[in-house]
Amino acid sequence: KNEVEQSPQNLTAQEGEFITINCSYSVGISALHWLQQHPGGGIVSLFMLSSGKKKHGRLIATINIQEKHSSLHITASHPRDSAVYICAVSQGGSEKLVFGKGTKLTVNP
Amino acid sequence: DTAVSQTPKYLVTQMGNDKSIKCEQNLGHDTMYWYKQDSKKFLKIMFSYNNKELIINETVPNRFSPKSPDKAHLNLHINSLELGDSAVYFCASSLRRSSSYEQYFGPGTRLTVT
Repeated sequence: KNEVEQSPQNLTAQEGEFITINCSYSVGISALHWLQQHPGGGIVSLFMLSSGKKKHGRLIATINIQEKHSSLHITASHPRDSAVYICAVSQGGSEKLVFGKGTKLTVNP
Repeated sequence: DTAVSQTPKYLVTQMGNDKSIKCEQNLGHDTMYWYKQDSKKFLKIMFSYNNKELIINETVPNRFSPKSPDKAHLNLHINSLELGDSAVYFCASSLRRSSSYEQYFGPGTRLTVT
Protein backbone atom coordinates (compact mmCIF):
# COMPACT_ATOMS: atom_id res chain seq x y z
CA LYS A 1 0.00 0.00 0.00
CA ASN A 2 1.36 3.39 -1.00
CA GLU A 3 2.08 5.79 1.87
CA VAL A 4 0.14 8.46 0.00
CA GLU A 5 -3.24 7.63 -1.49
CA GLN A 6 -5.26 9.90 -3.74
CA SER A 7 -8.86 9.76 -4.86
CA PRO A 8 -10.34 9.74 -7.32
CA GLN A 9 -7.80 8.47 -9.86
CA ASN A 10 -9.73 10.09 -12.69
CA LEU A 11 -12.24 12.90 -12.58
CA THR A 12 -14.30 14.43 -15.36
CA ALA A 13 -16.24 17.62 -14.77
CA GLN A 14 -18.17 20.23 -16.67
CA GLU A 15 -16.88 23.77 -16.82
CA GLY A 16 -18.00 25.72 -13.78
CA GLU A 17 -18.27 22.76 -11.42
CA PHE A 18 -16.68 22.65 -7.97
CA ILE A 19 -13.91 20.05 -7.84
CA THR A 20 -12.52 18.18 -4.86
CA ILE A 21 -9.48 15.90 -4.91
CA ASN A 22 -8.56 13.98 -1.78
CA CYS A 23 -5.25 12.82 -0.36
CA SER A 24 -4.66 10.54 2.61
CA TYR A 25 -1.31 9.60 4.06
CA SER A 26 -0.18 7.02 6.55
CA VAL A 27 3.05 8.51 7.90
CA GLY A 28 3.96 11.46 10.07
CA ILE A 29 4.73 14.45 7.91
CA SER A 30 6.32 17.86 8.15
CA ALA A 31 4.48 19.21 5.12
CA LEU A 32 2.10 18.24 2.35
CA HIS A 33 2.50 19.44 -1.21
CA TRP A 34 0.01 19.74 -4.04
CA LEU A 35 1.53 19.72 -7.52
CA GLN A 36 0.01 20.17 -10.95
CA GLN A 37 1.34 18.36 -14.00
CA HIS A 38 0.20 19.89 -17.26
CA PRO A 39 -0.68 17.78 -20.30
CA GLY A 40 2.65 18.92 -21.77
CA GLY A 41 4.45 17.30 -18.82
CA GLY A 42 5.66 20.28 -16.79
CA ILE A 43 5.21 20.13 -13.00
CA VAL A 44 4.27 23.16 -10.93
CA SER A 45 4.05 23.41 -7.16
CA LEU A 46 0.61 24.71 -6.20
CA PHE A 47 0.67 24.59 -2.41
CA MET A 48 2.82 23.51 0.47
CA LEU A 49 1.02 23.33 3.80
CA SER A 50 1.51 21.88 7.24
CA SER A 51 -1.74 23.02 8.86
CA GLY A 52 -5.02 24.74 8.13
CA LYS A 53 -5.91 26.11 4.77
CA LYS A 54 -4.34 28.02 1.88
CA LYS A 55 -6.00 29.79 -1.03
CA HIS A 56 -4.62 30.93 -4.34
CA GLY A 57 -7.11 32.26 -6.84
CA ARG A 58 -9.71 29.56 -7.49
CA LEU A 59 -7.65 26.90 -5.73
CA ILE A 60 -7.99 26.03 -2.06
CA ALA A 61 -5.99 23.44 -0.14
CA THR A 62 -6.85 22.17 3.31
CA ILE A 63 -5.16 19.74 5.63
CA ASN A 64 -6.31 17.89 8.75
CA ILE A 65 -3.21 16.66 10.56
CA GLN A 66 -5.14 14.52 13.05
CA GLU A 67 -6.99 12.68 10.31
CA LYS A 68 -3.95 12.62 7.99
CA HIS A 69 -6.01 13.97 5.15
CA SER A 70 -5.83 16.85 2.71
CA SER A 71 -8.17 18.14 0.04
CA LEU A 72 -7.60 20.28 -3.02
CA HIS A 73 -10.62 22.25 -4.17
CA ILE A 74 -11.07 24.08 -7.46
CA THR A 75 -13.93 26.53 -7.67
CA ALA A 76 -15.56 27.49 -10.99
CA SER A 77 -13.50 24.92 -12.89
CA HIS A 78 -12.28 25.72 -16.37
CA PRO A 79 -10.93 23.54 -19.21
CA ARG A 80 -7.46 24.99 -18.58
CA ASP A 81 -7.56 23.29 -15.15
CA SER A 82 -7.33 19.95 -16.94
CA ALA A 83 -4.16 18.35 -15.63
CA VAL A 84 -2.88 15.69 -13.27
CA TYR A 85 -2.89 16.81 -9.64
CA ILE A 86 -0.32 15.13 -7.43
CA CYS A 87 -0.20 15.02 -3.66
CA ALA A 88 3.18 14.53 -1.99
CA VAL A 89 4.41 14.53 1.58
CA SER A 90 7.72 15.36 3.20
CA GLN A 91 8.63 13.78 6.49
CA GLY A 92 10.36 15.01 9.61
CA GLY A 93 12.29 17.91 8.15
CA SER A 94 13.54 15.81 5.26
CA GLU A 95 13.56 17.10 1.73
CA LYS A 96 12.44 13.72 0.45
CA LEU A 97 9.00 13.81 -1.16
CA VAL A 98 6.79 10.73 -1.28
CA PHE A 99 4.20 11.01 -4.01
CA GLY A 100 0.66 9.84 -4.57
CA LYS A 101 -0.25 8.39 -7.94
CA GLY A 102 -2.02 11.51 -9.08
CA THR A 103 -5.57 12.44 -10.05
CA LYS A 104 -6.24 13.10 -13.71
CA LEU A 105 -8.77 15.93 -14.03
CA THR A 106 -10.56 16.68 -17.27
CA VAL A 107 -12.81 19.72 -17.42
CA ASN A 108 -15.07 19.81 -20.44
CA PRO A 109 -16.41 23.08 -21.88
CA ASP B 1 14.91 33.53 -17.35
CA THR B 2 14.14 29.84 -16.94
CA ALA B 3 14.28 28.84 -13.27
CA VAL B 4 15.18 25.14 -13.58
CA SER B 5 16.37 23.94 -16.95
CA GLN B 6 17.23 20.47 -18.20
CA THR B 7 19.00 19.28 -21.31
CA PRO B 8 18.19 17.48 -23.43
CA LYS B 9 14.40 17.50 -23.47
CA TYR B 10 14.28 14.25 -25.43
CA LEU B 11 16.88 11.50 -25.53
CA VAL B 12 16.58 8.37 -27.64
CA THR B 13 19.39 5.86 -27.36
CA GLN B 14 20.15 2.18 -27.62
CA MET B 15 20.61 -0.34 -24.86
CA GLY B 16 24.10 -0.48 -23.47
CA ASN B 17 24.95 3.15 -24.22
CA ASP B 18 26.05 5.70 -21.63
CA LYS B 19 24.22 9.04 -21.48
CA SER B 20 24.02 12.17 -19.35
CA ILE B 21 21.24 14.58 -18.50
CA LYS B 22 22.12 18.06 -17.28
CA CYS B 23 20.22 20.29 -14.87
CA GLU B 24 20.80 23.90 -13.93
CA GLN B 25 18.88 26.25 -11.63
CA ASN B 26 19.22 30.02 -11.37
CA LEU B 27 17.06 30.45 -8.26
CA GLY B 28 19.91 30.56 -5.76
CA HIS B 29 18.67 27.31 -4.23
CA ASP B 30 21.00 25.06 -2.26
CA THR B 31 19.30 21.69 -2.76
CA MET B 32 18.68 19.81 -6.00
CA TYR B 33 16.91 16.56 -6.82
CA TRP B 34 16.46 13.95 -9.50
CA TYR B 35 13.09 12.22 -9.85
CA LYS B 36 12.00 9.42 -12.16
CA GLN B 37 8.45 9.28 -13.55
CA ASP B 38 7.58 5.87 -14.89
CA SER B 39 5.16 4.89 -17.64
CA LYS B 40 2.29 4.98 -15.14
CA LYS B 41 3.17 8.58 -14.30
CA PHE B 42 4.33 7.67 -10.79
CA LEU B 43 7.05 9.97 -9.45
CA LYS B 44 9.83 8.68 -7.25
CA ILE B 45 12.88 10.40 -5.86
CA MET B 46 16.28 9.12 -6.92
CA PHE B 47 18.86 11.50 -5.47
CA SER B 48 19.20 14.79 -3.67
CA TYR B 49 22.20 17.05 -3.17
CA ASN B 50 22.60 19.90 -0.72
CA ASN B 51 25.53 22.25 -1.34
CA LYS B 52 27.16 19.61 -3.56
CA GLU B 53 26.79 16.94 -0.86
CA LEU B 54 24.68 13.83 -1.47
CA ILE B 55 21.88 13.70 1.13
CA ILE B 56 19.32 11.35 -0.38
CA ASN B 57 20.21 8.23 -2.30
CA GLU B 58 17.26 5.94 -2.85
CA THR B 59 17.51 2.36 -4.03
CA VAL B 60 18.76 3.14 -7.49
CA PRO B 61 21.06 0.91 -9.58
CA ASN B 62 24.66 2.05 -9.35
CA ARG B 63 24.59 2.55 -13.11
CA PHE B 64 23.05 5.90 -12.18
CA SER B 65 25.57 8.41 -10.89
CA PRO B 66 24.67 11.97 -9.98
CA LYS B 67 27.30 14.69 -10.05
CA SER B 68 27.01 18.18 -8.62
CA PRO B 69 29.89 20.43 -9.72
CA ASP B 70 28.35 23.38 -7.86
CA LYS B 71 25.12 24.35 -6.09
CA ALA B 72 23.46 25.42 -9.33
CA HIS B 73 24.07 22.21 -11.26
CA LEU B 74 23.14 18.56 -10.80
CA ASN B 75 23.84 16.18 -13.63
CA LEU B 76 22.75 12.57 -13.99
CA HIS B 77 24.96 10.07 -15.76
CA ILE B 78 23.58 6.67 -16.69
CA ASN B 79 25.82 3.79 -17.72
CA SER B 80 24.85 0.70 -19.69
CA LEU B 81 21.32 1.85 -20.37
CA GLU B 82 18.53 -0.74 -20.12
CA LEU B 83 15.02 -0.80 -21.54
CA GLY B 84 13.60 -0.27 -18.04
CA ASP B 85 15.40 3.04 -17.78
CA SER B 86 12.93 4.53 -20.24
CA ALA B 87 11.05 7.19 -18.31
CA VAL B 88 10.78 10.92 -17.82
CA TYR B 89 13.46 12.31 -15.51
CA PHE B 90 12.73 15.50 -13.63
CA CYS B 91 15.22 17.75 -11.91
CA ALA B 92 14.02 20.02 -9.10
CA SER B 93 15.47 22.47 -6.61
CA SER B 94 14.57 24.01 -3.26
CA LEU B 95 16.02 26.26 -0.60
CA ARG B 96 16.80 24.23 2.50
CA ARG B 97 17.29 27.09 4.88
CA SER B 98 13.77 28.28 4.12
CA SER B 99 12.69 25.03 5.88
CA SER B 100 9.72 24.87 3.53
CA TYR B 101 11.30 22.64 0.89
CA GLU B 102 8.92 23.95 -1.75
CA GLN B 103 10.35 22.48 -4.89
CA TYR B 104 10.65 23.95 -8.36
CA PHE B 105 10.72 21.45 -11.19
CA GLY B 106 12.48 21.42 -14.51
CA PRO B 107 10.58 20.58 -17.71
CA GLY B 108 11.68 16.95 -17.69
CA THR B 109 13.82 14.79 -19.98
CA ARG B 110 12.05 11.98 -21.79
CA LEU B 111 14.51 9.10 -22.12
CA THR B 112 13.67 6.29 -24.52
CA VAL B 113 15.93 3.26 -24.62
CA THR B 114 15.52 1.01 -27.64
